[in-house]
Amino acid sequence: GNSVTQMEGPVTLSEEAFLTINCTYTATGYPSLFWYVQYPGEGLQLLLKATKADDKGSNKGFEATYRKETTSFHLEKGSVQVSDSAVYFCALVANTGNQFYFGTGTSLTVIP
Amino acid sequence: DTGVSQDPRHKITKRGQNVTFRCDPISEHNRLYWYRQTLGQGPEFLTYFQNEAQLEKSRLLSDRFSAERPKGSFSTLEIQRTEQGDSAMYLCASTPGDEKLFFGSGTQLSVL
Repeated sequence: GNSVTQMEGPVTLSEEAFLTINCTYTATGYPSLFWYVQYPGEGLQLLLKATKADDKGSNKGFEATYRKETTSFHLEKGSVQVSDSAVYFCALVANTGNQFYFGTGTSLTVIP
Repeated sequence: DTGVSQDPRHKITKRGQNVTFRCDPISEHNRLYWYRQTLGQGPEFLTYFQNEAQLEKSRLLSDRFSAERPKGSFSTLEIQRTEQGDSAMYLCASTPGDEKLFFGSGTQLSVL
């Protein structure tokens, strides 16, 4: 079946620290992979995506590389800001369907 | 473009009552999804429409749940004979078909 596993939070970092949020997946076929972000009081919004192996998605200083060999899509940012405080969700859509599968979310708090 | 709109934002109901939620997607988006999210979990797929056709339903969608999308525009999700276990955030998302989901802010249901 299709599923996403991401590291549990909450994660608390100081401003300008390096961020990694781990995500691994199980999927049939060749899925597309996503990171969605939910800021306090707002709906989920797409942060970045990658549609095939070795693709790197990037946005707002965040990056994630689609690693087929390790079935991973880890989210990284070199220097976090207070405004990055949010819940981050890893997700996939299998190429055999249109259903999106989400991880449980990782809460990030960045302190000044 | 005002984004995906959901109504109401909050609903409190007594066990056994029926509730209906509405979702207005972004106007040119032909795909519409309903998800359910409980505290500390990621969104769980409920159902999906391509225009007015309901193409996929999750096993989570018991016979007490019904969704419609007349004319391929807005959608409604009805829960009959609500149970306390139905308490959750119900999320609607739409997409033009390029795998980027646009989420609404959700309807928070509390069943007493």
